[in-house]
This record gives sequence, C-alpha cells and structure tokens, in this order.
Amino acid sequence: GAVVSQHPSWVICKSGTSVKIECRSLDFQATTMFWYRQFPKQSLMLMATSNEGSKATYEQGVEKDKFLINHASLTLSTLTVTSAHPEDSSFYICSARTDRDTGELFFGEGSRLTVL
Amino acid sequence: GENVEQHPSTLSVQEGDSAVIKCTYSDSASNYFPWYKQELGKRPQLIIDIRSNVGEKKDQRIAVTLNKTAKHFSLHITETQPEDSAVYFCAASIGTNAGKSTFGDGTTLTVKP
Repeated sequence: GAVVSQHPSWVICKSGTSVKIECRSLDFQATTMFWYRQFPKQSLMLMATSNEGSKATYEQGVEKDKFLINHASLTLSTLTVTSAHPEDSSFYICSARTDRDTGELFFGEGSRLTVL
Repeated sequence: GENVEQHPSTLSVQEGDSAVIKCTYSDSASNYFPWYKQELGKRPQLIIDIRSNVGEKKDQRIAVTLNKTAKHFSLHITETQPEDSAVYFCAASIGTNAGKSTFGDGTTLTVKP
C-alpha cells in the first residue's frame, strides 16, 4: 500500500516556540492531505485540509494563524504550531489519498507534541 | 455537516466471541463508509470499507453491513483474537475523492485470552 511518513515522531518544546511537523507521501503524489489532532482515547479531529499549491481549508474553531499549513509540493505538507502553549500538547497525525483514490486514507505515524 | 456517532465506546469480549460496533451518520449524501483500526501507538489502518450501493461486505473474520434507510452501518468481527484488541474508528464521507471523512469517536476493543 501507499506510505505516508511523518516527522518528527515526538517533540518537546518550550512554551512560546514554534514547531514544524512534516508529512510526506513516499511513493505517490498527494494533491490533498489532511491534518488531525487526537487527544488520548479520543477520535481523530480534522483540523484542516491541505491543498497543494493553494491555501489550506481550516475546520471551524481551528486558528489558521496558530496552525500554519504549507503544501508546497505534491509529496510534502507541513504543519507549524506557532507560539506553542501547553494546551497545544497533543498527537498530530496526517493522512492522504493516492491518485487512484479508492477512498482509503493512508496515515502518517503521527507526531506527539509536548509543550512545557 | 456530517455527524457520525459510534457505539459502544469500549467493548470487552472473550477470545473466540464475536464483537459488533455500530455507527450512525446524519448526511444521507454520504456514500463511503470505511473502518480503521488503530493499535496502541500506531497509525490508523483501513480494515474494511463499504459503499452505498452495497449492503454487506465480508473479508475473512470481518464484515460490515450498511442500512442506508436507517443511516447506520456496523462492523462485525467473528472469532476474535487477542491481536484484534485496538481502537476501531468508523467514518463517513461523500464520494471517494479528496473530500474529507468524518470519524466516529472510536471503540476500544479488548479481547481477553
């Protein structure tokens, strides 16, 4: 199956700093990628849809200036958590569909962010 | 927008028993319903999916049923094994294109040996 790689898998940062998370489609091109936030024992909350070459579409309640998304190529989308605070600590995970578009979402490994 | 409800939130069964997880959706336009399994610390992976033109689909010990009229679909796992223990998510979306999927809240399945 298709492979989506996410990096870093975990990161610890100080409050007020910014953190960038990368999501790469390794063996396919992804014009659209999705970013989620997952709290312990909870569901995948869609944050935004990342569109290659255009602005991301954010879900209601998600601050676009807080969570910057860039999708500059067909294989890479990045999520930058700006001025991170402890409440931003969470598991962030991305997904993408292949151009065959069977409907299946391929997920990255996820990135656990801890803000001190 | 679409709203997906999933029940139960936790499910514990004995090895060899069957497990059933149910989901309901609100948008009658939804026509693609996947189920994902997420083991602890790992990424979600698709285990089975169904489209609205089909009422039931089976893959070995796993089956999914869909009732379009009632707007609900269910995951059935037979002859459960300890390795089936994981969190299971249902989802609903319109089409299989780049449209977003709405996920249920997840069911934590524990299979006791």
